[in-house]
Amino acid sequence: DAGVTQSPTHLIKTRGQQVTLRCSPKSGHDTVSWYQQALGQGPQFIFQYYEEEERQRGNFPDRFSGHQFPNYSSELNVNALLLGDSALYLCASSPGGGLAEAFFGQGTRLTVV
Amino acid sequence: AQSVAQPEDQVNVAEGNPLTVKCTYSVSGNPYLFWYVQYPNRGLQFLLKYITGDNLVKGSYGFEAEFNKSQTSFHLKKPSALVSDSALYFCAVRDYRTDKLIFGTGTRLQVFP
Repeated sequence: DAGVTQSPTHLIKTRGQQVTLRCSPKSGHDTVSWYQQALGQGPQFIFQYYEEEERQRGNFPDRFSGHQFPNYSSELNVNALLLGDSALYLCASSPGGGLAEAFFGQGTRLTVV
Repeated sequence: AQSVAQPEDQVNVAEGNPLTVKCTYSVSGNPYLFWYVQYPNRGLQFLLKYITGDNLVKGSYGFEAEFNKSQTSFHLKKPSALVSDSALYFCAVRDYRTDKLIFGTGTRLQVFP
């Protein structure tokens, strides 16, 4: 079992550009959540996808958008990048419903210059 | 609003000594509490969770946590620390309505030989 995989692992973008991050969930998991972890802080919830729909959203602007595909993989898109978007972006997957724990990928380190 | 607090930015302990990493919570309804560990440049690894039942929860790598409803605490413990336990530890509560995880600010554990 490959667990949760994210790509790329590192990324450098210029302010104003757009970026797409990708996530493949753990086998058997149909729910994908995205978190932003700024340096020295705990992860902050961005949004969650289930059955290809955004089910919940945290306090992030519309520049942050996402998508879930029929195979449950997911993308996080960020438009008009700001320097403050520099962070580790974490994808977590879990089985839909129930009380099972979420499994996290290794993250994508985004640096905006 | 649901939240967790980790009052210590860093905990230092000598190898072989017991360790405690503190967490307090504030929730409406039943608390679903988690501990995750993060090694440098890595994602989060699940350690243990409290859903209901016994107040002492056993998890991975010899860690355990004690749930105390009267003190609204969920402290992480280990009887004998290892140097390899040095990492960043996050306490989290799951919002029972949205399934999102709300993280504390993290506690850096340093185990000295």
